[in-house]
Amino acid sequence: EAGVVQSPRYKIIEKKQPVAFWCNPISGHNTLYWYLQNLGQGPELLIRYENEEAVDDSQLPKDRFSAERLKGVDSTLKIQPAELGDSAVYLCASSRQGTEQYFGPGTRLTVT
Amino acid sequence: RKEVEQDPGPFNVPEGATVAFNCTYSNSASQSFFWYRQDCRKEPKLLMSVYSSGNEDGRFTAQLNRASQYISLLIRDSKLSDSATYLCVVNRGGNAGKSTFGDGTTLTVKP
Repeated sequence: EAGVVQSPRYKIIEKKQPVAFWCNPISGHNTLYWYLQNLGQGPELLIRYENEEAVDDSQLPKDRFSAERLKGVDSTLKIQPAELGDSAVYLCASSRQGTEQYFGPGTRLTVT
Repeated sequence: RKEVEQDPGPFNVPEGATVAFNCTYSNSASQSFFWYRQDCRKEPKLLMSVYSSGNEDGRFTAQLNRASQYISLLIRDSKLSDSATYLCVVNRGGNAGKSTFGDGTTLTVKP
């Protein structure tokens, strides 16, 4: 079974530029999560989808962050404009409803 | 106070040692619990679920204490390959409820 796929793996951009991350979950997993992880900290939830519905986006900074999961499968997370403080690892995870999560390799973002 | 708290360590132990980590959670409505392992610059990977009755997987034992609101992970006969950061995860609410991660406990096993 293929795991969670994320791209790109690394991204370096200048502040104020836009950036987008893509995630393809494990087949059959209806729940998709986007997390942000800073060094030395655990993942922090940005948004959770059940199929195509965002059921928890309370921690998503909506002034600059947006996400979509139009067909209930793959998802895109966008930041526009990026700030220096957005430098982090962005992790995507998926699960069958209510069960353990499986993570992708993450996108390491550096904003200069 | 954070919703999920872990001792960050680091725990430095010799090979063959037994080591235990605790994780406390503040929300009594929490319903499911997990331990994840994260290697340096890698993604978290599920180590084991934590059941009310406790569970064991080889050298690893997980326990849940709902009254005191903590979960524990015991590693026996530590191996060099056990060196990693161990994250506890607490799920609140019903199906697919909110997951909160601790900041992790770092373990280094030395020869």
